[in-house]
Amino acid sequence: QKEVEQNSGPLSVPEGAIASLNCTYSDRGSQSFFWYRQYSGKSPELIMFIYSNGDKEDGRFTAQLNKASQYVSLLIRDSQPSDSATYLCAVGQNQAGTALIFGKGTTLSVSS
Amino acid sequence: NAGVTQTPKFRILKIGQSMTLQCTQDMNHNYMYWYRQDPGMGLKLIYYSVGAGITDKGEVPNGYNVSRSTTEDFPLRLELAAPSQTSVYFCASSHGTDNEQFFGPGTRLTVL
Repeated sequence: QKEVEQNSGPLSVPEGAIASLNCTYSDRGSQSFFWYRQYSGKSPELIMFIYSNGDKEDGRFTAQLNKASQYVSLLIRDSQPSDSATYLCAVGQNQAGTALIFGKGTTLSVSS
Repeated sequence: NAGVTQTPKFRILKIGQSMTLQCTQDMNHNYMYWYRQDPGMGLKLIYYSVGAGITDKGEVPNGYNVSRSTTEDFPLRLELAAPSQTSVYFCASSHGTDNEQFFGPGTRLTVL
């Protein structure tokens, strides 16, 4: 059974700090990785995707991928109270006709 | 583009009743998905479809049925509703297997 693991949290950081969210996956053949943000009572929305080893930056967000360690992370710099949400990691199975596998999510709380 | 739309937004069912949750996308995506999300939990895949006329079971298909007669529509049918089906249901679509999934706003269902 292919799995995506996340620490459920809550992860609490003060405003302005760096929040680090982590995700591990079991399928070594996975090639595509996604981070979604879900506010309470709302649907998930895509923040970042990453396909290659290394870092990918978009504004205050950086996704990091290490395929050898089967590990993907999301860093949020200068965290704001509006970043308080649940962050879902999703991994592609690199096999036609399959769906992304979602982790259970990590809840982030940013205090002002 | 409206993206992914779902109706109804809210519904209360009595045990044993049936209903259909509607999902429509206008992005010409081949792949469509149904998830359920229980309070404080992650997304669980119910059914998905890789194109019109093709559907596959996900992690939790029991008690549900789907059909895909057109590219745009992917309705989810609940037969003989049970309290265990109380949840928030999200429909999503994507261009392909390992592509970003776009989510609808969700349907909050309560079975009493």
